Amino acid sequence: GQQVMQIPQYQHVQEGEDFTTYCNSSTTLSNIQWYKQRPGGHPVFLIQLVKSGEVKKQKRLTFQFGEAKKNSSLHITATQTTDVGTYFCVTGTASKLTFGTGTRLQVTL
Amino acid sequence: EADIYQTPRYLVIGTGKKITLECSQTMGHDKMYWYQQDPGMELHLIHYSYGVNSTEKGDLSSESTVSRIRTEHFPLTLESARPSHTSQYLCASSLRLGGDEKLFFGSGTQLSVL
Repeated sequence: GQQVMQIPQYQHVQEGEDFTTYCNSSTTLSNIQWYKQRPGGHPVFLIQLVKSGEVKKQKRLTFQFGEAKKNSSLHITATQTTDVGTYFCVTGTASKLTFGTGTRLQVTL
Repeated sequence: EADIYQTPRYLVIGTGKKITLECSQTMGHDKMYWYQQDPGMELHLIHYSYGVNSTEKGDLSSESTVSRIRTEHFPLTLESARPSHTSQYLCASSLRLGGDEKLFFGSGTQLSVL
């Protein structure tokens, strides 16, 4: 099946620092979604990217889809403690959405 | 935002017991899913359904079974639980968004088999 790798696996930042997670696929993706899972919680949909080179912003979060549609990134500017959680990229067909390996973000004061 | 419910939230049982994890959604979504997630790990699809009387196995082999007799209800059953089944089980339904499906998750069932 399709494999989607995320890096880094874990990152610990101080509040106010920036954070970026990368999602890489060996095959071309039709689109990509991002989800956030708080500790002890369930994944929550953040955004979907469809077009090559697409960039979308949600307040301090910036999402980008690579030109070749094989990678994506999520960048958080000036992290806050509320950003703590695991961020997953998700891709696949309508019937089988595949989750990436996830990046766990820890933010301390 | 989403109206999808899972019960129980936590379950501790002994080996060999039969269990059913409940999942219900009130959004009228046709597609529903069961994912399994170990602590700190990614989610693995174990079952999905396109609608009533439609069920398929996912990528991760599972000894569980599912049924879809009503649109809103998608229970998962383990006939004989084992310690290797200890995990978190997440139910989801989906809404078509552009070219793909947007997933709405329940709060999950944390299963511990002793």
